[in-house]
Amino acid sequence: QKEVEQNSGPLSVPEGAIASLNCTYSDRGSQSFFWYRQYSGKSPELIMFIYSNGDKEDGRFTAQLNKASQYVSLLIRDSQPSDSATYLCAVLSNFGNEKLTFGTGTRLTIIP
Amino acid sequence: DTEVTQTPKHLVMGMTNKKSLKCEQHMGHRAMYWYKQKAKKPPELMFVYSYEKLSINESVPSRFSPECPNSSLLNLHLHALQPEDSALYLCASSQDESGHTGALSYNEQFFGPGTRLTVL
Repeated sequence: QKEVEQNSGPLSVPEGAIASLNCTYSDRGSQSFFWYRQYSGKSPELIMFIYSNGDKEDGRFTAQLNKASQYVSLLIRDSQPSDSATYLCAVLSNFGNEKLTFGTGTRLTIIP
Repeated sequence: DTEVTQTPKHLVMGMTNKKSLKCEQHMGHRAMYWYKQKAKKPPELMFVYSYEKLSINESVPSRFSPECPNSSLLNLHLHALQPEDSALYLCASSQDESGHTGALSYNEQFFGPGTRLTVL
C-alpha cells in the first residue's frame, strides 16, 4: 500500500485558471506536509508547507490540510505557463523524524 | 547563503571507477540527506546525517558510502557501481533542532541542484 498517493496526471489547465492538485496519505500520525515543484531535469524546489488543519496562502499558492480525511491539496490561482512542472507531495510522520515520504508526483501543464 | 550546492553537475564513470559526490550548505542546518531519483519517479531517500552522525541508512548497497566531514559538508563515495545506478543524486539539508534540544523541528528540506550520474 502506497503511503502517499497523488494522481500522476497529466493535468492540463488553461492559463489564468485555478489548478488543483491533491494528495492523500495513509499514516494518521503524519504531522507536516510539503509541496515541491520540480521542472524537468531540475531538483525539487519547496514551494509550500503546512502543519495545521485549514488553509495556508502564499501569493498565488494555497495549501489546504484536512487531517481527519488525511488529505492535503495545493491550489494555484491565475495559472501561468511557468507553473508547468511536476508537483511532489511529501509527508513527514513525526516532528523530528527526518524521513520524508514522497508521492509519485502530478505532472501539471498550463495551456496558453 | 540560502542554498545547497553540489559538485559535479554531471559525472560519467565506468563500473571499476571510484568517484565522489560533494554537497555543501552554509545555512547552519544540522541534518543532511542523500536521495537518488530516477526519471519520472520521486526522490528515494538513501542516507540521513543528523549532527554529523549517520541516523538513517535505507538499506543502501555498500558500493555507496556516505561521509559527513563536518556540519556543512556531505560526501557520497562511489565504487564499483552498476549501470542501473545511473540517476540524479540529490543532496538536501534541513534544520534539525529536535535531535539536540528536544524542541520541535519542522524540518523543511531544501534540495541542491543534483549530480546527474551515468555509469557505463
